[in-house]
Amino acid sequence: EDKVVQSPLSLVVHEGDTVTLNCSYEVTNFRSLLWYKQEKKAPTFLFMLTSSGIEKKSGRLSSILDKKELFSILNITATQTGDSAVYLCAVGVYSGAGSYQLTFGKGTKLSVIP
Amino acid sequence: DGGITQSPKYLFRKEGQNVTLSCEQNLNHDAMYWYRQDPGQGLRLIYYSQIVNDFQKGDIAEGYSVSREKKESFPLTVTSAQKNPTAFYLCASSGPNSPLHFGNGTRLTVT
Repeated sequence: EDKVVQSPLSLVVHEGDTVTLNCSYEVTNFRSLLWYKQEKKAPTFLFMLTSSGIEKKSGRLSSILDKKELFSILNITATQTGDSAVYLCAVGVYSGAGSYQLTFGKGTKLSVIP
Repeated sequence: DGGITQSPKYLFRKEGQNVTLSCEQNLNHDAMYWYRQDPGQGLRLIYYSQIVNDFQKGDIAEGYSVSREKKESFPLTVTSAQKNPTAFYLCASSGPNSPLHFGNGTRLTVT
């Protein structure tokens, strides 16, 4: 059974801190790893990673994938209260007959206090 | 604007009644998905469809049914056989080699 594990499950930091969120996985037929941010409703896409060792960056957020050790990290520097959200990690796998689906972790709830 | 529309936003039903959640997309995506989200559980896949008139069960399909008669539409019916239907339901779609795009969800409460 495919498994995606995120840690920590929740985190409280002060504005300006740097945080690292972790995602490890055990899946067959790996295709990609994705990070999403979920505030109140729809998860919004952050990054899609397919190759090891190549950092993806968007403003204060960055992410990297290690396909040998089967994990990814999401870094947020100089956190702001607007970063408070649940961060979801998902792994995309091929599931036969050309189809593709995502398995999600339980998420990390980040709270940034002023 | 392209996107995914789920309706209604909130839905209340009595136990024993079937209920259908709507999902429409105008992104011209072939693949569509239904997920259920419970507190502390992350997202769990109910059903997905890669093309019109075809769909597959996900990890928690029992008590649910879907149809895919049109590319744009992928409605989900929560039947009375679903033991614990109260949850937040998210619909998503994707194109080739692209990440999932999500709708804003429907919060279903069954009493």
